[in-house]
Amino acid sequence: GDSVTQMEGPVTLSEEAFLTINCTYTATGYPSLFWYVQYPGEGLQLLLKATKADDKGSNKGFEATYRKETTSFHLEKGSVQVSDSAVYFCALSDRKAAGNKLTFGGGTRVLVKP
Amino acid sequence: AAGVIQSPRHLIKEKRETATLKCYPIPRHDTVYWYQQGPGQDPQFLISFYEKMQSDKGSIPDRFSAQQFSDYHSELNMSSLELGDSALYFCASSLDVSGNSPLHFGNGTRLTVT
Repeated sequence: GDSVTQMEGPVTLSEEAFLTINCTYTATGYPSLFWYVQYPGEGLQLLLKATKADDKGSNKGFEATYRKETTSFHLEKGSVQVSDSAVYFCALSDRKAAGNKLTFGGGTRVLVKP
Repeated sequence: AAGVIQSPRHLIKEKRETATLKCYPIPRHDTVYWYQQGPGQDPQFLISFYEKMQSDKGSIPDRFSAQQFSDYHSELNMSSLELGDSALYFCASSLDVSGNSPLHFGNGTRLTVT
């Protein structure tokens, strides 16, 4: 079945540091890939997405490139802020499956210190 | 912009009681998904509906049932509650069932079973 593996946290960084969260996936079809962010006490917010190989999703300074050859979708940000402290989830949607459900990775907690 | 509305935000029930969670999708979104997120866990897919019909089923216990109504809102009914049902329950909606249409999540209902 489909699965998503992402690096375990917590990841602790200083403000303005470079952030990378690794994400790899296994899917039988040609999935769409997503990064969702969850701030404390809130729901999941879509951060960015990519729907085909070599697509780059970007939003709020975050970027991720759909790499089919390495089945990866690593999230990067060049200079993090305290407000980026949250849990980040990598997810895939296998377009072969009915209903477009998401399969999530385990989440990576990021803590940015001033 | 309108978002996915879930009610109630918090719910406290005793073992063996029943609970009903409600979800109002974004206008024009005809697909609704339910997820369960345990403490420190990634969201687990429960069930989804497309045009008022069940479109996919995940790890939803037999004690739970759900439906989507003619106005596209959805309700998750939970009976014979157990302590292990304590979790954050998210509803999400999407514009269609294609893999290109991202899921938009509500802020969740936190269920506590005592």
